[in-house]
Amino acid sequence: EDKVVQSPLSLVVHEGDTVTLNCSYEVTNFRSLLWYKQEKKAPTFLFMLTSSGIEKKSGRLSSILDKKELFSILNITATQTGDSAIYLCAVTDNYGQNFVFGPGTRLSVLP
Amino acid sequence: GAGVSQSPSNKVTEKGKDVELRCDPISGHTALYWYRQSLGQGLEFLIYFQGNSAPDKSGLPSDRFSAERTGGSVSTLTIQRTQQEDSAVYLCASSLAVIGGLETQYFGPGTRLLVL
Repeated sequence: EDKVVQSPLSLVVHEGDTVTLNCSYEVTNFRSLLWYKQEKKAPTFLFMLTSSGIEKKSGRLSSILDKKELFSILNITATQTGDSAIYLCAVTDNYGQNFVFGPGTRLSVLP
Repeated sequence: GAGVSQSPSNKVTEKGKDVELRCDPISGHTALYWYRQSLGQGLEFLIYFQGNSAPDKSGLPSDRFSAERTGGSVSTLTIQRTQQEDSAVYLCASSLAVIGGLETQYFGPGTRLLVL
């Protein structure tokens, strides 16, 4: 059965800290891994990763995929209170249409 | 299992036909969301139900889209006179009541809609 596991499930840090969120997966015919940030109702898209070892970066956020070990990490440097959210990891199959979401990591950044 | 379920898992239809997608949320979850995921794009919010409150329909792309939630549980998303651009994965999620905070959303596996 396809599944996605995220850790930690909850994390509290102070502004300026660096955090690493983990996502491991088991999926048949893996195609891509996606990271989302959920602040309000709708998760917003952060990254899509398809190739191992290639870091994707956007401002203070970066992510990398390891297809051999079946995991990805999402790094956030110099955290700000606005980074407080639930971070969701999802994987898709070879057709890019079957989605499996992880439970999310709830990040709280304190001032 | 006790997760969110959606049906059908796949739907192929002809342009102009109506389709109905179903979502069974996790028991006890009062909030229910519909999203659309097109190939290569992020999640697009469609509609949100919270308990007995009027739904937030702000994300529905056109008046061909409608959704209802009967008895505060099962929801159906209806697309009338389907167009090819409606082809996407339609995802449903549910969560506990969202009152002044942020609750984890649990996603179903999606319905893959293809309009020919």
